[in-house]
Amino acid sequence: SQQGEEDPQALSIQEGENATMNCSYKTSINNLQWYRQNSGRGLVHLILIRSNEREKHSGRLRVTLDTSKKSSSLLITASRAADTASYFCATASTSGSRLTFGEGTQLTVNP
Amino acid sequence: GAVVSQHPSRVICKSGTSVKIECRSLDFQATTMFWYRQFPKQSLMLMATSNEGSKATYEQGVEKDKFLINHASLTLSTLTVTSAHPEDSSFYICSARDPMTVDTQYFGPGTRLTVL
Repeated sequence: SQQGEEDPQALSIQEGENATMNCSYKTSINNLQWYRQNSGRGLVHLILIRSNEREKHSGRLRVTLDTSKKSSSLLITASRAADTASYFCATASTSGSRLTFGEGTQLTVNP
Repeated sequence: GAVVSQHPSRVICKSGTSVKIECRSLDFQATTMFWYRQFPKQSLMLMATSNEGSKATYEQGVEKDKFLINHASLTLSTLTVTSAHPEDSSFYICSARDPMTVDTQYFGPGTRLTVL
């Protein structure tokens, strides 16, 4: 069963704006990962944050993790039309274990 | 970065036939591969975990006789959908875990299966 819930389910913004997506989960985790999927394609790994970390950055991406609230957020700054895709969070209960994916957020960046 | 390929990318078959999907890790050896299924506009559902040289571990509700998984080498896992029916039509995605970066899974591009 899917552990993660993401909101919003869909997000439409203008190019240049920031996009924030949230993910909540139910059980203890070792790490949480964010993936991107273009329509009809495979997933691309974006960033991994471990349970003892609170924030990570990678380029225009910023991920936060609040283990007390069992939630994470993905911020994409200065969005581009090419950022249009579905974004999924995935949790691992232990190091190297299977991933459980959230429902995903469909991001549309309008030029 | 690590590359995972899938073949075929798209397959259309008649009801009752079997379809084999290959998943290959191209530049690393993957002792563990995963098979997911994704319906339109939905998330990925893990079907099974494939371990090289041993039997696959199937998720609850996934019929192992329906979805045969073989992981005969460190770079190849196959998923065979036996006696396919229209309800098996879906997007099948594999991933592989690189032992050097144990927590990250690298995904294949997916296979679109349509059963007529």
